[in-house]
Amino acid sequence: AQKVTQAQTEISVVEKEDVTLDCVYETRDTTYYLFWYKQPPSGELVFLIRRNSFDEQNEISGRYSWNFQKSTSSFNFTITASQVVDSAVYFCALKVYRVQGAQKLVFGQGTRLTINP
Amino acid sequence: EAGVTQFPSHSVIEKGQTVTLRCDPISGHDNLYWYRRVMGKEIKFLLHFVKESKQDESGMPNNRFLAERTGGTYSTLKVQPAELEDSGVYFCASSQDRGLPTPLHFGNGTRLTVT
Repeated sequence: AQKVTQAQTEISVVEKEDVTLDCVYETRDTTYYLFWYKQPPSGELVFLIRRNSFDEQNEISGRYSWNFQKSTSSFNFTITASQVVDSAVYFCALKVYRVQGAQKLVFGQGTRLTINP
Repeated sequence: EAGVTQFPSHSVIEKGQTVTLRCDPISGHDNLYWYRRVMGKEIKFLLHFVKESKQDESGMPNNRFLAERTGGTYSTLKVQPAELEDSGVYFCASSQDRGLPTPLHFGNGTRLTVT
């Protein structure tokens, strides 16, 4: 069975601080993908990044960076110099390969991030 | 390109009533998914359509939920009769293919409140 755990339910920081959102996953599959989605107050889920299980390179996109470590089954997300517009609920998700059937996303519980001015 | 659209954005109904949620996927996307988030918990898979066919409905909670996708375009999710535990946000998503790395495009969700 697959599982994603986001232990941080809520995080609140002051603008310009760096913040890291934790994501730990469980799967016995060797081929899988990890995703991060952002849910701003408007409600839609916005795709941020995907990472496959064979690529442990960290990725940086502007103020966002992702740290994938298979040894600890973690895929953490860091926002550098946070801004008020980063306030949202962030979801980590896992998708595994299946020959048949939907390759379903398994989501974590989400972390509500509040950036205070 | 228009994104995934869902209607209504909010719905408040009484226990025992019927509600129908609608999802219009991105044009040309054969794969359509329904997910649900109940009160601060994780977002859970409900079912998956490929065109008009149900590919996987293993996440549907019970037979009070009925999803359809006539003609392989928009989809509806009907809850009849609604129960209190059905309250939550229902998300629809679509994708052009169902490959492993393919990210899903989600709609804004429908917030359902059953009183």
